Amino acid sequence: DIQMTQSPSSLSASVGDRVTITCRASQGIRNDLGWYQQKPGKAPKRLIYAASSLQSGVPSRFSGSGSGTEFTLTISSLQPEDFATYYCLQHNSYPLTFGQGTKVEIK
Amino acid sequence: QVQLVQSGAEVKKPGASVKVSCKVSGYTLTELSMHWVRQAPGKGLEWMGGFDPEDGETIYAQKFQGRVTMTEDTSTDTAYMELSSLRSEDTAVYYCATDLEAAAVIPGYWGQGTLVTVSS
Repeated sequence: DIQMTQSPSSLSASVGDRVTITCRASQGIRNDLGWYQQKPGKAPKRLIYAASSLQSGVPSRFSGSGSGTEFTLTISSLQPEDFATYYCLQHNSYPLTFGQGTKVEIK
Repeated sequence: QVQLVQSGAEVKKPGASVKVSCKVSGYTLTELSMHWVRQAPGKGLEWMGGFDPEDGETIYAQKFQGRVTMTEDTSTDTAYMELSSLRSEDTAVYYCATDLEAAAVIPGYWGQGTLVTVSS
């Protein structure tokens, strides 16, 4: 199974800050990875697919990069509505595996 | 646009089974690759299983092998996930998640979630 190691597990940031979240795969997964945002009591929302493609309707302050084993999700200027938990998911091979999640909290 | 509507919350006793449904609209099930994901209270997302379009088979996470069955009724465009021998650790919100089979991306469409509570 491919292990996805996501870091940090949580972070505190202020509105306007640049935030970076990382996922590392235990083996190469090409660009078969995406990112979700989840708010309490809600289903996850896809932000990024194919490592760097922005989901339609998602603000351009969100971006994804990486290939192979190292991936990042960047929020260029954190907004109040961005405080949530973020997950990566690899779909290169079965079983699909999520990162452990990163909770972004208000500083 | 794909829409997924799941069945309502369930309360089950340990040892029982639960069957959660996921009604698809906007597309037919045959055009989609359906997955099931669960989330225990305060925990992360956990993939349980899903359809692999390359093999044409449903793949289950090893953790659930022998206890989970995922089926589809294409006549009603409804997917089902049945989990048996329930224990307290299975208390979680269960989601169906999907995308177009041809898209080959992480699921972009999710149901609203179904809370399953296992308690004696």
